[in-house]
Amino acid sequence: AQSVTQLDSHVSVSEGTPVLLRCNYSSSYSPSLFWYVQHPNKGLQLLLKYTSAATLVKGINGFEAEFKKSETSFHLTKPSAHMSDAAEYFCVGAGGGADGLTFGKGTHLIIQP
Amino acid sequence: EAQVTQNPRYLITVTGKKLTVTCSQNMNHEYMSWYRQDPGLGLRQIYYSMNVEVTDKGDVPEGYKVSRKEKRNFPLILESPSPNQTSLYFCASSLLGASGSYNEQFFGPGTRLTVL
Repeated sequence: AQSVTQLDSHVSVSEGTPVLLRCNYSSSYSPSLFWYVQHPNKGLQLLLKYTSAATLVKGINGFEAEFKKSETSFHLTKPSAHMSDAAEYFCVGAGGGADGLTFGKGTHLIIQP
Repeated sequence: EAQVTQNPRYLITVTGKKLTVTCSQNMNHEYMSWYRQDPGLGLRQIYYSMNVEVTDKGDVPEGYKVSRKEKRNFPLILESPSPNQTSLYFCASSLLGASGSYNEQFFGPGTRLTVL
């Protein structure tokens, strides 16, 4: 069994400041991990994915995430927030085989002007 | 254009009236899945399918049925809808990687269902 925990339901930052969205996972297997973004009234779009090739993963729109096995974390970061980053972000884990995919409950990112 | 389509996009129905939400993908993906999204709960998986004629329960399968007779289609069936199934539903598909590992999921635009 696996679980994915997003530690903050809401994060508010000022435009131009760094963004940190936190995600912890637990899995019986070496996981695949993803971050998705959902803009209002839209479907989900993949930001980046980790599949064990490299622990630091770069995604679209300047986002990146680092897989830390010792901390069981996969936090999403961006050096400088933009107003267009305001959205819901989901961390997703995949344990492989019959485990299916597990979504975190989401973090709502608010960008203050 | 590679895409996942869902129909209908919006549906209002009454308790007990059977309905089907269709999902189709044109990317020849093996894996397809249905999710429901509710405020404060994120996305929860209803059913998924690893290939034709292979379906498995997700986290919240009660009250739903699915079928996978063709690779491209994965309809979601509510035999007797109830108000607690009012939600936003997403279909998704992806290729399966080596040893059944998961790749990027492509999501449909969503179906907003209201059951009165």
